[in-house]
Amino acid sequence: EADIYQTPRYLVIGTGKKITLECSQTMGHDKMYWYQQDPGMELHLIHYSYGVNSTEKGDLSSESTVSRIRTEHFPLTLESARPSHTSQYLCASSFSDRRGLKLFFGSGTQLSVL
Amino acid sequence: AQKITQTQPGMFVQEKEAVTLDCTYDTSDQSYGLFWYKQPSSGEMIFLIYQGSYDEQNATEGRYSLNFQKARKSANLVISASQLGDSAMYFCAMREGSTDKLIFGTGTRLQVFP
Repeated sequence: EADIYQTPRYLVIGTGKKITLECSQTMGHDKMYWYQQDPGMELHLIHYSYGVNSTEKGDLSSESTVSRIRTEHFPLTLESARPSHTSQYLCASSFSDRRGLKLFFGSGTQLSVL
Repeated sequence: AQKITQTQPGMFVQEKEAVTLDCTYDTSDQSYGLFWYKQPSSGEMIFLIYQGSYDEQNATEGRYSLNFQKARKSANLVISASQLGDSAMYFCAMREGSTDKLIFGTGTRLQVFP
């Protein structure tokens, strides 16, 4: 059973506000991810972290930023939310064993910017 | 560039019947991994099954099996004995090169009816 948590589950906010989406995992995984998903569409990687103090942008350009000060914590921040940021944001962590890569996802944050 | 294609936007299946969800992929890598995830209406991503490119046997996990045809670059998911709780979006994904990042297809919405 995966232990990865995202808060809030739903967020409705006005344009121009600064928001932080929280993601925490208790599995000690080094690699963590943020994916963005529009309704009924595929997931797009927006941020990736190899470990503490290591982050890089994903394939989909995003105005959000991330930080990785602790292994278990990988928050995503939008400095000034806009309606175009309305989407679902899914956090994940992973480990690899002899059977391959395993990604574990949180429940997601559904963000609506008015 | 690597790509995942799911050509079935939606599928219907009667309870207790088997269903196959199609997935084709494109990659020039020799080593890669293929995944299937289930996303219920609640939004979380649930890992179902994994197939490594060098695995000689098709992966199976309970009622899920992966029909891996390397020459055709297909990795179809077979769900046997469908249950009402199987109704969800299903995403095929591929490990991107030697990284620990996944790229996703556009998904197939499966509806199981009594």
